[in-house]
Amino acid sequence: QKEVEQDPGPLSVPEGAIVSLNCTYSNSAFQYFMWYRQYSRKGPELLMYTYSSGNKEDGRFTAQVDKSSKYISLFIRDSQPSDSATYLCAINNQGGKLIFGQGTELSVKP
Amino acid sequence: EAGVAQSPRYKIIEKRQSVAFWCNPISGHATLYWYQQILGQGPKLLIQFQNNGVVDDSQLPKDRFSAERLKGVDSTLKIQPAKLEDSAVYLCASSQHIGSNEQFFGPGTRLTVL
Repeated sequence: QKEVEQDPGPLSVPEGAIVSLNCTYSNSAFQYFMWYRQYSRKGPELLMYTYSSGNKEDGRFTAQVDKSSKYISLFIRDSQPSDSATYLCAINNQGGKLIFGQGTELSVKP
Repeated sequence: EAGVAQSPRYKIIEKRQSVAFWCNPISGHATLYWYQQILGQGPKLLIQFQNNGVVDDSQLPKDRFSAERLKGVDSTLKIQPAKLEDSAVYLCASSQHIGSNEQFFGPGTRLTVL
């Protein structure tokens, strides 16, 4: 079983839609959960991170962690064409070692 | 603030040849990482440095891959000899300190092994 699993998509939505991206993880000891965004031919960039369970909101983006079900989500409200990218969930497995999901490719159509 | 710099951006070699990638992290960042990202997958950590010492190289294929970070700044990743399955994007990242959740990534070097 992989430590972090993510639906690879691709996912295509119309502009203005609400997008839900999800990952599951295997180790209940994980505490820090991150979402990175990667545009084509660029390196990943950190969108947001959460510690333990709960929600965190930043503008149109909301990250949610449910430790009881080992499930992490990223919601994008009022999606824009500029949000078209690959979204990677990641877990900090102590000491800065990030374990990434395989990424979900999102396309937002005008 | 300048970002993480990597060179070259693209490299095409034949199998069994050698290749080297260079990374210059953000100034003052003590921790440096090399990741391998195969097409359609998330990045996988190869090696982590803290200053000029290796913290974690458990996933580095040491029979063919080597990396160094002399003087705790720039780093070089080498593959010798390359195999077809080494075709990937090699990403360098840095962070202010070990354990940081925010790692800053360079644009990567896209390697194609023929």
